[in-house]
Amino acid sequence: QVQLKESGPGLVAPSQSLSITCTVSGFSLTSYGVHWVRQSPGKGLEWLGVIWAGGSTNYNSALMSRLSISKDNSKSQVFLKMNSLQTDDTAMYYCVRDPFYYGSSWYFDVWGAGTTVTVSS
Amino acid sequence: DIVLTQSPASLAVSLGQRATISCRASKSVSTSGYNYIHWYQQKPGQPPKLLIYLASNLESGVPARFSGSGSGTDFTLNIHPVEEEDAATYYCQHSRELPPTFGGGTELEIK
Repeated sequence: QVQLKESGPGLVAPSQSLSITCTVSGFSLTSYGVHWVRQSPGKGLEWLGVIWAGGSTNYNSALMSRLSISKDNSKSQVFLKMNSLQTDDTAMYYCVRDPFYYGSSWYFDVWGAGTTVTVSS
Repeated sequence: DIVLTQSPASLAVSLGQRATISCRASKSVSTSGYNYIHWYQQKPGQPPKLLIYLASNLESGVPARFSGSGSGTDFTLNIHPVEEEDAATYYCQHSRELPPTFGGGTELEIK
């Protein structure tokens, strides 16, 4: 059974950095890409970036300067790091699988439950 | 970025009737014979769930009462006959170019 599960800090102070871990099961990170998507009342659903099976990445250009995605295939974990957080980064953060085996489809077939991030002092 | 505009923002449909949701793109999301629009369903407290990919392909396990159509800039999600469990918010998403973006959502109420 394909599953993804996010774990994050919950609360982040303004100007600080955010680190979220996505642990996957039921598939290999060496075969599928994993995207990050966030959802907030103000901005709706927003694609953040992706790390592909081979390790290459793509980022939303609006966030590229603050965003980094990496992974540890042996631990089945994908990592999101975002710097200089502001209040409008408050959102639910999801890791989601790209369903294309060894390729890219740019849609999302399995979603994690999400982790809530609140940016506040 | 490609902007996806969904309409209506909300609708109420009687049990057993048809729900039709529109998604309009700011530029064509079709090329090389493919229509790069996908549809998701989201219920409160849950992540979105993929319903339809590439405009008209039903995701495995999704009931056949869901269907999608369209090309170019205009796409439609139909649900018929509507059931109580279909009460949710529906989103379209394109994958024509970077970045993929989502529509603002359509909230479906079952009467």
